[in-house]
Amino acid sequence: AQSVTQLDSQVPVFEEAPVELRCNYSSSVSVYLFWYVQYPNQGLQLLLKYLSGSTLVKGINGFEAEFNKSQTSFHLRKPSVHISDTAEYFCAVSESNQGGKLIFGQGTELSVKP
Amino acid sequence: IAGITQAPTSQILAAGRRMTLRCTQDMRHNAMYWYRQDLGLGLRLIHYSNTAGTTGKGEVPDGYSVSRANTDDFPLTLASAVPSQTSVYFCASSDGGLSGDTQYFGPGTRLTVL
Repeated sequence: AQSVTQLDSQVPVFEEAPVELRCNYSSSVSVYLFWYVQYPNQGLQLLLKYLSGSTLVKGINGFEAEFNKSQTSFHLRKPSVHISDTAEYFCAVSESNQGGKLIFGQGTELSVKP
Repeated sequence: IAGITQAPTSQILAAGRRMTLRCTQDMRHNAMYWYRQDLGLGLRLIHYSNTAGTTGKGEVPDGYSVSRANTDDFPLTLASAVPSQTSVYFCASSDGGLSGDTQYFGPGTRLTVL
């Protein structure tokens, strides 16, 4: 069965520092990969997704992620974070034979400090 | 365009009571989803609907039911609420219900069962 593991529950970082949020998945079929962001007291919105093609995917707000099939990972990165990036980040997987159903990771709380 | 609206915003409910969470979308999306969000567990799929008139079970369907009488509305009913159903509930929709489709989320309903 597919599963998603976000390796860090909390990531504190100073403003303008780089950040990497880690995500690993397991699946026996081909997958599509997503990162969603949840700002305080709001719903989730899409940051970026990988469907096929180039393994480096660029998203909104300067975020990017790299799909690594051999390591079954989809880590999210940003070279310089802002206070406004403080939020919870969710990695999610959709298997190619399961329609639109998403399996989410546990979430990583990114806290950007001045 | 409002996107997805959910009602109520929050609710405190006595155990054993019946409760319906409402979800309406104005994007004419075919697929709709209900998730619950619990700390440390991320989001888990409760039920989904790929098109009006059809529904399916997700990862945690027990104690919940849904209906999809038309394209826009997807209510979630708790027939007899229990404290373990205390959670934040998110409704989402996607255009085609396919594996790579982006899901759009509502603002959530915070439900407390006492």
